[in-house]
Amino acid sequence: EAGVAQSPRYKIIEKRQSVAFWCNPISGHATLYWYQQILGQGPKLLIQFQNNGVVDDSQLPKDRFSAERLKGVDSTLKIQPAKLEDSAVYLCASSLVRISTYEQYFGPGTRLTVT
Amino acid sequence: KNQVEQSPQSLIILEGKNCTLQCNYTVSPFSNLRWYKQDTGRGPVSLTIMTFSENTKSNGRYTATLDADTKQSSLHITASQLSDSASYICVVSELRDYGGSQGNLIFGKGTKLSVKP
Repeated sequence: EAGVAQSPRYKIIEKRQSVAFWCNPISGHATLYWYQQILGQGPKLLIQFQNNGVVDDSQLPKDRFSAERLKGVDSTLKIQPAKLEDSAVYLCASSLVRISTYEQYFGPGTRLTVT
Repeated sequence: KNQVEQSPQSLIILEGKNCTLQCNYTVSPFSNLRWYKQDTGRGPVSLTIMTFSENTKSNGRYTATLDADTKQSSLHITASQLSDSASYICVVSELRDYGGSQGNLIFGKGTKLSVKP
């Protein structure tokens, strides 16, 4: 079974520039999550999708972050404009269904450096 | 406030030795507790998941315990190997409803384990 795919793996941009990350979840997984992991900390949930609908985006900084899940499969996360404090690893995860005991499978992440 | 605290922050042990990582939480209502292993540059990988009624679960050389009364969990690693070097993250899930819907996941900051030859 193929895992969660993310691209790019690394990105370096200057502050105030825009950036987009892409995630392809495990085939058949209805639930998709985006997390932000700052160095030395645990992941923080940014947004959760169930198919192509948003379930929870309460911690997404909506003034600069946006996300969509095209046709309930792939997803993109965008930052516009980026700030220095956005430097982090952005993890995508997917789950078969949105049941608490079901496993979340994480992708390798995209490491963003904002200079 | 729902929190997950892990200790120690970092740990260095010699190959072949055992070690125990701690996790204390204040999450309520509680649904389940997970331990993840995160290798450098990779996403977290699940080791164990325990619900309220489970107090121990093993996955090879990894054994997790849960005391729901004291809200504490531990992850014991037996006969450590160099490949065990990673961050270990404790994650507690809030109970959203009794239908089992996914509640908020509260992540600890992790314990960074280094296994030396």
